[in-house]
Formats: sequence, C-alpha cells, structure tokens
Amino acid sequence: EIVLTQSPGTLSLSPGERATLSCRASQSLSSSSLAWYQRKPGQAPRLLIYDSSIRANGIPDRFSGSGSGTDFTLTISRLETEDFAMYYCQQYGSSPRTFGQGTKVEIK
Amino acid sequence: QVQLQESGPGLVKPSETLSLTCTVSGGSISSQYWSWIRQPPGKGLEWIGYFRYSGDYNSSLKSRITTSIDASKNQFSLTLSSVTAADTATYYCASGRGYFDYWGQGTLVTVSS
Repeated sequence: EIVLTQSPGTLSLSPGERATLSCRASQSLSSSSLAWYQRKPGQAPRLLIYDSSIRANGIPDRFSGSGSGTDFTLTISRLETEDFAMYYCQQYGSSPRTFGQGTKVEIK
Repeated sequence: QVQLQESGPGLVKPSETLSLTCTVSGGSISSQYWSWIRQPPGKGLEWIGYFRYSGDYNSSLKSRITTSIDASKNQFSLTLSSVTAADTATYYCASGRGYFDYWGQGTLVTVSS
C-alpha cells in the first residue's frame, strides 16, 4: 500500500498570500497518478487537480499542481477567502487507492 | 453536472449489516465507475472500492462488501456485513475509479448497540 504524507498539517496564511502544500508518496507513482481535493465543512469534497497537474473542470487557474515520482505540490497562487479549507492528495497508480491525511489551510 | 446523494440509516447495531444507497442525478449510472470512500471520526479518508459490472475493493474490507447498481433508479448501493464500532464513519459515494470527479456530501453511520 502506498502511504501519502502531507505537509504541513496546518498552514496559517492571509488572503492574497501564496499557499504551497506538499504530498510525498512512499513509492513512485506510475503516470503521475495523483489528485488533489478540497473539502469544506458540510460540503462534498471537490476535485481540484488530477494526473498531478491537470485542473478539473471549473477550477480557477490560481490552483496549480506539479510533481512526479514521489513528490507532489499543490500551489494556490493568491488565496481567496473561499480557499480556506482542508486539502487532500490521493494516489490512483495502484490499489488500494490511498489518501494523505490532509492539510488545513486556515486564516491567519 | 453530476450530483450524488447518500442515504441510509444513521445507526447500525454491531454484527448487523450496514446498507447505503447513492442516488445519481445529472448523469448516466451505466456509463462510468462508482466508488465508496469513508472517513472514521478523527481519522483519514479510506477507499472502500470501485465497481461497475465488476470492481476492485480494499482487501481489508472485501470479504464483507457487496455492491450493486439499479439503473432503473439511477442508484448504486453498498452493503457492509458484520459491522463493528470500527466501521463508524462518514461514508461518501463518488464517481470514478482512479480519481473521483464528483462526491456526495457524505452520511454519518454510527455502529452502536
């Protein structure tokens, strides 16, 4: 089973700042098979990025993903108030699918 | 836009069977794979499995899982047998088998006598 480790656990930033979230895999992921999700309390999780760097439909271009192998990054270029939420990475290169433990982006 | 909504009992007794249904709107249930994911309180997200006419399931749960699709109702279902307190979680249904395009809001199922 591939273990995903996200860092930091919590990111305290102000609106307008840049957020950089990390996801490290215990084994190299085939075909950059990594996705990022946003989750807010009481709402369905939302797919942001798949295949490491492709934005899902309707996702603003301030969200970007990068990385390959074992190291992946989600960047939010300028935080909007609606971006303060939990973020999870997930690998789908092998079974079982696994998720990181999440990074909380909170208002400083 | 595809929307998903989970439904089912919020409380299940230990050793009994948990049954959940996911209703799909805005898309054809026959055209893609469907998944279940759960999150126990205070813990991480755990993939349960994906399926269409066949599927792949988390080996830790596979022996207790049954899944089905009712195309006439645009619904798919999960049953988990012989539940214990460790199965207490928020259960999500989602579309896809690799990454998950759309998710339901989740439903909390508590296993308790």
